[in-house]
Amino acid sequence: AQSVTQLDSQVPVFEEAPVELRCNYSSSVSVYLFWYVQYPNQGLQLLLKYLSGSTLVESINGFEAEFNKSQTSFHLRKPSVHISDTAEYFCAVRPNTGFQKLVFGTGTRLLVSP
Amino acid sequence: SQTIHQWPATLVQPVGSPLSLECTVEGTSNPNLYWYRQAAGRGLQLLFYSVGIGQISSEVPQNLSASRPQDRQFILSSKKLLLSDSGFYLCAWTTSGSYNEQFFGPGTRLTVL
Repeated sequence: AQSVTQLDSQVPVFEEAPVELRCNYSSSVSVYLFWYVQYPNQGLQLLLKYLSGSTLVESINGFEAEFNKSQTSFHLRKPSVHISDTAEYFCAVRPNTGFQKLVFGTGTRLLVSP
Repeated sequence: SQTIHQWPATLVQPVGSPLSLECTVEGTSNPNLYWYRQAAGRGLQLLFYSVGIGQISSEVPQNLSASRPQDRQFILSSKKLLLSDSGFYLCAWTTSGSYNEQFFGPGTRLTVL
């Protein structure tokens, strides 16, 4: 079975500051990793994913995440946040073979203030 | 292009009343379908998933049930709602076969009073 830990339930930052949202996972098999973003009262949208290859993956809006197998982590970072980045961010994992379900973390609420 | 619909968007129901939430997907065939519940501070909990018509897998014991009467329709039901059923319900789909990302619907906010 897999599990995901997002230790920070809420991260407040000022606009244009850097941010890191932490995600650690546990799995006995190789996994795919994902970050989803949820804006208030909306569904989830895929932000970025790691399936294979380069361990550093990037999104179109400036976020990046790095897969670290030895530390079982997939932290999300952005060098300079905007007010519009205020949302809840979910890390998720699933085994990389067969039909398997996504396992989500409990989410981190990013609050960007002016 | 594919789209996913959920209705109603919001719902307020008394304890003990029945429930029916509907999810439909357009623009794809034979999708895998999922129901999640999101409770405050608890992330997303997978409730049910379906790989085909009439095929339902339940993840957690509860007073909810799911049905898939048509290929692109997924229904979440309850005969008698509990206070603890309140939450944000999300439907999601993926293409069948090899894995692809899950696409989520806009969600239904359910409040049980």
